[in-house]
Amino acid sequence: GAVVSQHPSWVICKSGTSVKIECRSLDFQATTMFWYRQFPKQSLMLMATSNEGSKATYEQGVEKDKFLINHASLTLSTLTVTSAHPEDSSFYICSARGSSNNQPQHFGDGTRLSIL
Amino acid sequence: AQKITQTQPGMFVQEKEAVTLDCTYDTSDQSYGLFWYKQPSSGEMIFLIYQGSYDEQNATEGRYSLNFQKARKSANLVISASQLGDSAMYFCAMRGGHHNQGGKLIFGQGTELSVKP
Repeated sequence: GAVVSQHPSWVICKSGTSVKIECRSLDFQATTMFWYRQFPKQSLMLMATSNEGSKATYEQGVEKDKFLINHASLTLSTLTVTSAHPEDSSFYICSARGSSNNQPQHFGDGTRLSIL
Repeated sequence: AQKITQTQPGMFVQEKEAVTLDCTYDTSDQSYGLFWYKQPSSGEMIFLIYQGSYDEQNATEGRYSLNFQKARKSANLVISASQLGDSAMYFCAMRGGHHNQGGKLIFGQGTELSVKP
């Protein structure tokens, strides 16, 4: 089946650091990738939708300058949490799908981010 | 607006018994898709089953079946012969039609299932 790799799996860093998370589709071309944030015992909240070669579409309330998303190729999207603070600590998970809206989304394994 | 509701924050089931996890949805789209995902404590999202709004038969995948009642806007997940490894969070999700640009998924609040030996 389709595989999505997310890296790193977990990261701990100091407040003020910028952190980059990668999401790669390993065996298919991911026209669209989605970035979610999840707090403990809560649901996945969509942060943004990114299409290859164009600017990401952010959900209401998500700071574009805080969460930078790049989708430069059909196999890679990155989420950069800029100047991270403790309140940015969370579980971030990406998903990817092909060119049709009806194609299933395949999820990465997620990244646990802890800001000290 | 589209909405997914899971009203059971937590459920317990005895090993080898069946369990039903509830999911109701609201949408004005005629064409939509409904999904169930399992999320173990390790965090990965595991796709379980899919039901399209125009599918006349309920979807089944092994021990998983989806009880789709379109008029009631419900899409309950039935897990038969529960196993200890079924203990996890379960999320119901919906993908809308043309009103939902980009095919994004909207998730319910989740149900934490615990299987007792």
